[in-house]
Amino acid sequence: EADIYQTPRYLVIGTGKKITLECSQTMGHDKMYWYQQDPGMELHLIHYSYGVNSTEKGDLSSESTVSRIRTEHFPLTLESARPSHTSQYLCASRGQGRFYGYTFGSGTRLTVV
Amino acid sequence: QQQVKQSPQSLIVQKGGISIINCAYENTAFDYFPWYQQFPGKGPALLIAIRPDVSEKKEGRFTISFNKSAKQFSLHIMDSQPGDSATYFCAASKGDDKIIFGKGTRLHILP
Repeated sequence: EADIYQTPRYLVIGTGKKITLECSQTMGHDKMYWYQQDPGMELHLIHYSYGVNSTEKGDLSSESTVSRIRTEHFPLTLESARPSHTSQYLCASRGQGRFYGYTFGSGTRLTVV
Repeated sequence: QQQVKQSPQSLIVQKGGISIINCAYENTAFDYFPWYQQFPGKGPALLIAIRPDVSEKKEGRFTISFNKSAKQFSLHIMDSQPGDSATYFCAASKGDDKIIFGKGTRLHILP
């Protein structure tokens, strides 16, 4: 079954730790995205990729970094977590063509204490 | 500048009523207008989408109305049910560019 997977679903971690949020999709999509969703619901694009070895920063400045070594895998890394990084992180992918929407993962709820 | 403006921010509707969420856009080059539904603890899921060459699209109880001249589109949920309680996002994109999302509407259907 084609889908997009995010792990872990929930993560509580101490300040200063390095973390990687995983995102994988089985649909062969070239376009992948990371969003940060604040408690007020709004979705903020922080990173995106249009294919292997392609990564771009999104509209919201983020201290995280991403990599795209394989089509199906788009991990997000925080080198040194801070309480301000506490948020919901959503990964999405988009099929080829102008009339395809995003498929979102279920998200990772990150809490930095 | 917010390219897709969504209202209201929150909405309470009685069971069986009609829920209406409105969106307005600025960029006339947008050619794809999806709506997403998000339940707590889940990612947004594509609900219904429309292209600007049609004025209305209906899928079950969900209808998108599109007014190209006014640069507005809306989601109507007929016979609203408690299970429709969720956050709804309108969105727009040009070609296969990034999708631009509205800020979301929290919908609560009273049983």
